[in-house]
Amino acid sequence: GENVEQHPSTLSVQEGDSAVIKCTYSDSASNYFPWYKQELGKRPQLIIDIRSNVGEKKDQRIAVTLNKTAKHFSLHITETQPEDSAVYFCAASMTAGGFKTIFGAGTRLFVKA
Amino acid sequence: DAGITQSPRYKITETGRQVTLMCHQTWSHSYMFWYRQDLGHGLRLIYYSAAADITDKGEVPDGYVVSRSKTENFPLTLESATRSQTSVYFCASRGFGGDIQYFGAGTRLSVL
Repeated sequence: GENVEQHPSTLSVQEGDSAVIKCTYSDSASNYFPWYKQELGKRPQLIIDIRSNVGEKKDQRIAVTLNKTAKHFSLHITETQPEDSAVYFCAASMTAGGFKTIFGAGTRLFVKA
Repeated sequence: DAGITQSPRYKITETGRQVTLMCHQTWSHSYMFWYRQDLGHGLRLIYYSAAADITDKGEVPDGYVVSRSKTENFPLTLESATRSQTSVYFCASRGFGGDIQYFGAGTRLSVL
């Protein structure tokens, strides 16, 4: 089955710097890759997603890149702010006829003011 | 987000007891999921359902039972709770043909 590995497990950056979180997946049939942000004590919430027919997607300070050949995808946060501090999860799933989403173990991001 | 609710939000029980966690969604989403969240493991899929009366195992199904007699409800039962089942449990739903999963607020379960 699908396996998703996420690195680093903890990331600390200075406010205004960029943060990058990387994930790899194992099943080449996966075609949908969402990223979730989870604040302390809250539910995971989708922040950005990318489909396998796209190499990059951007939404304001957040961008995601996908390399299907290498089975890598990454989250990039620019100009980080203290409110970006949270746990971020990557995930991989197949949308065509499938519905299982497998999550990475998460990255705890600290943004120091 | 108010369309998917979990109850109770907090539960303390003892080993060997049966516990049922409830999940209700008002969107008529076809797919529903149960995850458990433990430190260092992220979100692990316990069971999922594609429609009423259709359920299947996820990554960590042992010790859990689900049912889905109605589209809007997807209860998760721990038949005989163990300490290793202490966790935060999240229910999620997803519409047919859609990609995005929407999560409930979670249930924090402690098994003593």
